Amino acid sequence: SQTIHQWPATLVQPVGSPLSLECTVEGTSNPNLYWYRQAAGRGLQLLFYSVGIGQISSEVPQNLSASRPQDRQFILSSKKLLLSDSGFYLCAWSPRTDPLGNTEAFFGQGTRLTVV
Amino acid sequence: ILNVEQSPQSLHVQEGDSTNFTCSFPSSNFYALHWYRWETAKSPEALFVMTLNGDEKKKGRISATLNTKEGYSYLYIKGSQPEDSATYLCAFVMGYGQNFVFGPGTRLSVLP
Repeated sequence: SQTIHQWPATLVQPVGSPLSLECTVEGTSNPNLYWYRQAAGRGLQLLFYSVGIGQISSEVPQNLSASRPQDRQFILSSKKLLLSDSGFYLCAWSPRTDPLGNTEAFFGQGTRLTVV
Repeated sequence: ILNVEQSPQSLHVQEGDSTNFTCSFPSSNFYALHWYRWETAKSPEALFVMTLNGDEKKKGRISATLNTKEGYSYLYIKGSQPEDSATYLCAFVMGYGQNFVFGPGTRLSVLP
């Protein structure tokens, strides 16, 4: 069966410090991968998605970047965190075998990031 | 920027009440519409994946309908229970399943 791992679960970082959140998927190959953020009182905002190794699409301009060094690994990074980067970050994957989006997305447990 | 809207933003109902929420999405370039339930301290979990105009899906007391021509989907909960309390998210799928765009969610609280 497929599983998705996301870590760390919580993180408190000072302004200006770097960030690295990691997400890995097991039990499947060639998944679509996503990073979402939920800011306080708001819905899920798509930050990045990837359809393959080294292929990253960014949905909103921001202080963050993403990388996919391996097929089932998705990393969210920042060189210098801002206060506005605080939020709840979710990694997700979806199968790529069905091109019509007929299959659901599966989410990690999330990372609560607080920038102080 | 793709706009997916949900209403109401939050909802409080009594146990046993039936309720429904709305998800509005662009009616052009439709591929799929997903509904998720997000309980506090858990990951969002899929309820329904809907792809065809006129689709109706049901899971227990929860059902959903889809109108792709006018760009909306309804989620219904019959006889709400406290365990139904959660945020309900819809997601519009575009780009051959590559990209899920979520609405802001409807937060449901069911009071015993």
